[in-house]
Amino acid sequence: EAQVTQNPRYLITVTGKKLTVTCSQNMNHEYMSWYRQDPGLGLRQIYYSMNVEVTDKGDVPEGYKVSRKEKRNFPLILESPSPNQTSLYFCASSLWRTGMSSYNSPLHFGNGTRLTVT
Amino acid sequence: AQKITQTQPGMFVQEKEAVTLDCTYDTSDQSYGLFWYKQPSSGEMIFLIYQGSYDEQNATEGRYSLNFQKARKSANLVISASQLGDSAMYFCAMRRSKYGNKLVFGAGTILRVKS
Repeated sequence: EAQVTQNPRYLITVTGKKLTVTCSQNMNHEYMSWYRQDPGLGLRQIYYSMNVEVTDKGDVPEGYKVSRKEKRNFPLILESPSPNQTSLYFCASSLWRTGMSSYNSPLHFGNGTRLTVT
Repeated sequence: AQKITQTQPGMFVQEKEAVTLDCTYDTSDQSYGLFWYKQPSSGEMIFLIYQGSYDEQNATEGRYSLNFQKARKSANLVISASQLGDSAMYFCAMRRSKYGNKLVFGAGTILRVKS
């Protein structure tokens, strides 16, 4: 089954304790991205990657790190989490081919990770 | 800058009736894609339907159809024969050819289906 898998689904942690949220897709998609969703602020992009070893900042990258060493995996790292990073996080992937109408490609989302930082 | 506007924070619809969720967008690009997603209370984001800026026909996908009016920059979602399971948050989103690195979302509309 084609899917984007995020883990964990729920995570409660304390301020300053490094954590990683994993994301894996089995659709051979070039593009992957992380979003956070907050009440009243909607969905905002944190980081994205157009292919292996190619990552770039989205709208709210502060406090986050990502890496794309393999095509299928795109982990989100919080080196020193703070309470303002409490949120619902989504990983997403899509096709992206330079020169093609890749803007037509829908993003496929993982089930989300609810992170609470106390 | 691109922007998606969903003017209806919440909607109610009677079971088995049709409902239209509004979406307007703002872009100067010629090439772009418009998407609708459903987010049930369990939290996941489910892709429903897509419309390309060059598509002349309105997109349809089962009970979902997209009323695309390019000149008015609107892309309304129509759900026919509403079911209780349609109760959810619905997001309209846009992806531009020039900045395809990002999907920009509207604020969403909460739909409640009444029995």
